[in-house]
Amino acid sequence: EDQVTQSPEALRLQEGESSSLNCSYTVSGLRGLFWYRQDPGKGPEFLFTLYSAGEEKEKERLKATLTKKESFLHITAPKPEDSATYLCAVQADNQGGKLIFGQGTELSVKP
Amino acid sequence: DAMVIQNPRYQVTQFGKPVTLSCSQTLNHNVMYWYQQKSSQAPKLLFHYYDKDFNNEADTPDNFQSRRPNTSFCFLDIRSPGLGDAAMYLCAISSTAGTDTQYFGPGTRLTVL
Repeated sequence: EDQVTQSPEALRLQEGESSSLNCSYTVSGLRGLFWYRQDPGKGPEFLFTLYSAGEEKEKERLKATLTKKESFLHITAPKPEDSATYLCAVQADNQGGKLIFGQGTELSVKP
Repeated sequence: DAMVIQNPRYQVTQFGKPVTLSCSQTLNHNVMYWYQQKSSQAPKLLFHYYDKDFNNEADTPDNFQSRRPNTSFCFLDIRSPGLGDAAMYLCAISSTAGTDTQYFGPGTRLTVL
């Protein structure tokens, strides 16, 4: 069964304290791995798509990496406005584009 | 400008009273999805349309139906809402059903009294 597990469930950082979020996945055939940011009461906001092991993408303070079993979202020198829930999702072969989401990591950055 | 628009943003209904949620898009993408997200849980796919072709997830209750009258609009109908249907309902679009990115709307928060 295709599955996505994110850790930790919650992460509290001080402003400027870099860290990483983990997304482990098991899928029969990976089409793509997606990272989204979700603020309370809002829809997920797209961050990155990764397609193959070794791929990396960056946007401002965020960098996403992918291996055959997991993805990391690295946050460098976070600011309070980075506080949100970060969702990881995978698309598997022959699933019609269905996203299978992890439970998310709730990030809180204190000034 | 918003690509995916959902109305209403907040919906309150009574137990058993039918409700319809609306989603529209400005990009004419082929695929439209409906997800259900309960509090502190991951979004869960209910069904999707690839053009006019409807694709239902196996575990989506019969209580949930959908209509897509044209490329721009898609509706989620809940025929007899129960307390367990209280959730955020998210609409998403993509240009194909492959690895194209799904872009989400702001969601409709449904409360069932």
